[in-house]
Amino acid sequence: GAGVSQTPSNKVTEKGKYVELRCDPISGHTALYWYRQSLGQGPEFLIYFQGTGAADDSGLPNDRFFAVRPEGSVSTLKIQRTERGDSAVYLCASSPHSGRAWETQYFGPGTRLLVL
Amino acid sequence: KQEVTQIPAALSVPEGENLVLNCSFTDSAIYNLQWFRQDPGKGLTSLLLIQSSQREQTSGRLNASLDKSSGRSTLYIAASQPGDSATYLCAVREANTGNQFYFGTGTSLTVIP
Repeated sequence: GAGVSQTPSNKVTEKGKYVELRCDPISGHTALYWYRQSLGQGPEFLIYFQGTGAADDSGLPNDRFFAVRPEGSVSTLKIQRTERGDSAVYLCASSPHSGRAWETQYFGPGTRLLVL
Repeated sequence: KQEVTQIPAALSVPEGENLVLNCSFTDSAIYNLQWFRQDPGKGLTSLLLIQSSQREQTSGRLNASLDKSSGRSTLYIAASQPGDSATYLCAVREANTGNQFYFGTGTSLTVIP
């Protein structure tokens, strides 16, 4: 079956611009996660959705970052007034549920964001 | 805050060698621990998941162990192949929050034919 997909695969923008990154999770997965991975680092948690609601957004670095999942499937990560430090790979993952110790996360290929 | 450390940062071995990758974490109150593989320019692929109540998991040439009390996990790769070349990441899911996954910085493995 189809895995997690993310669009665009690459995004180049200028400092101060607004960007939207999209994630299509595996069909039927209720839990969705966003991570940010800087060069040479491991992924850092940003936000977690259970269904339509953001159950944990404690990883969002500041109020320029926002994410939605209005119908409980596709999610959009929105970044306002982009800064050069926002350049990273943004990864999305989904899992069938949450709170199950035996469940793995399925990752998408990521969106590479470069802020000039 | 949970801190996850992976040693070594990079490893280069000749084909056929057995090798061990190490992961340590500071807070032993974890829900589970996962090992992932990341190929250049690609997302993460889950290799093994160990629940907090388990001590090891095996899949093919891979074996992962977990010592929760000491905050350590190892990934053992038997008879390494050039196709094993990738970055290996470990991640822990905390028990207290249940949602936060903390990743290490990874071990970059090169298997030389």
